[in-house]
Amino acid sequence: KAGVTQTPRYLIKTRGQQVTLSCSPISGHRSVSWYQQTPGQGLQFLFEYFSETQRNKGNFPGRFSGRQFSNSRSEMNVSTLELGDSALYLCASSLAWGSGGYNEQFFGPGTRLTVL
Amino acid sequence: KQEVTQIPAALSVPEGENLVLNCSFTDSAIYNLQWFRQDPGKGLTSLLLIQSSQREQTSGRLNASLDKSSGRSTLYIAASQPGDSATYLCAVGETSGSRLTFGEGTQLTVNP
Repeated sequence: KAGVTQTPRYLIKTRGQQVTLSCSPISGHRSVSWYQQTPGQGLQFLFEYFSETQRNKGNFPGRFSGRQFSNSRSEMNVSTLELGDSALYLCASSLAWGSGGYNEQFFGPGTRLTVL
Repeated sequence: KQEVTQIPAALSVPEGENLVLNCSFTDSAIYNLQWFRQDPGKGLTSLLLIQSSQREQTSGRLNASLDKSSGRSTLYIAASQPGDSATYLCAVGETSGSRLTFGEGTQLTVNP
């Protein structure tokens, strides 16, 4: 079974630009979460999508947004990039039960975003 | 707000040693706890998942324990090998969704 895939793996952008990152979850997984990892702040939760709906959101500005498609693939978008947005962006997928229970989360290799 | 702390921040041991990594969390109302491994510049690899109703989980040379009431978890690595060198992250899953709150990690170096 293929793991979580993320594209692109590396990205270089300049301040003010916008960027879209893509995540394909493990087949059958319906929940997709996004995290930002930086040396100073560690791993921080961005948001989670389940059945094309955002179910949970972290403490990030509105420049960070996401969406999920009917096949569970997800994209996140960052508009008006700032130098501080340089980070490793990680996507995780998991089986999500209707009762709200969540199973083990599996992470992709990440997208390394550099903002110049 | 859940806070997760990992001690020590870094650890260097000779090959063959048994070692313990510690994780503590402030809010005991958790859904599960997951231990991950991260190699430099890479994504996270799931090692062990402990549900809130469980006390421990084992996989090969790894054993993780959970004491919800005291807000603690430990990861025990037996007979360490150089290939175990990585950063180990503890993450607590909240009851209302899939959000994980991570500790800062323990950077482990196993010397041959």
